[in-house]
Amino acid sequence: AQRVTQPEKLLSVFKGAPVELKCNYSYSGSPELFWYVQYSRQRLQLLLRHISRESIKGFTADLNKGETSFHLKKPFAQEEDSAMYYCAVLEYNFNKFYFGSGTKLNVKP
Amino acid sequence: GAGVSQTPSNKVTEKGKYVELRCDPISGHTALYWYRQSLGQGPEFLIYFQGTGAADDSGLPNDRFFAVRPEGSVSTLKIQRTERGDSAVYLCASSRDRDTGELFFGEGSRLTVL
Repeated sequence: AQRVTQPEKLLSVFKGAPVELKCNYSYSGSPELFWYVQYSRQRLQLLLRHISRESIKGFTADLNKGETSFHLKKPFAQEEDSAMYYCAVLEYNFNKFYFGSGTKLNVKP
Repeated sequence: GAGVSQTPSNKVTEKGKYVELRCDPISGHTALYWYRQSLGQGPEFLIYFQGTGAADDSGLPNDRFFAVRPEGSVSTLKIQRTERGDSAVYLCASSRDRDTGELFFGEGSRLTVL
């Protein structure tokens, strides 16, 4: 069963425009949600997690349990934000992370 | 300190051959994961170790795949009788313990089966 859905494979925006990367999940327990990012020629790394409720590099994500969503947002995109973004859910009882298929963000100058 | 190290970074083999992929996690990290990433897809869970034991191997696609972590540090993913469909990037990740929620990934081993 698909646990994490990222409907957009590619998202292109202009520098300074707002950006929202969508993520929906299906999990019956209390989920922990994460966003991981992979910049060009770099390894996959944690961007932010919902329990921290912090803003990283201007990005925020709010867990909406009613809509089972965890969309990643940034009000003003920068060129250096161009990367692959993966939403992930932690199946806590089994300590398994499930990743979405990823969204490629392309910020144009 | 060094991050998660994976070798080889690139492996080309012929169908039917045996392959080993190695992961050296961050020192002190007790949890270790193997993922497989095919083109255009996100990382797909294969197996999870807590210490020396495989806590969950439900993601291994079939019995050609096997992984070990004999001393609770370095892990080896072994693939027997490779098939073309095994071609992918194999990612290793480690975390301090099961409750930290942050995975530290290696750069991956790209396997190509001809």
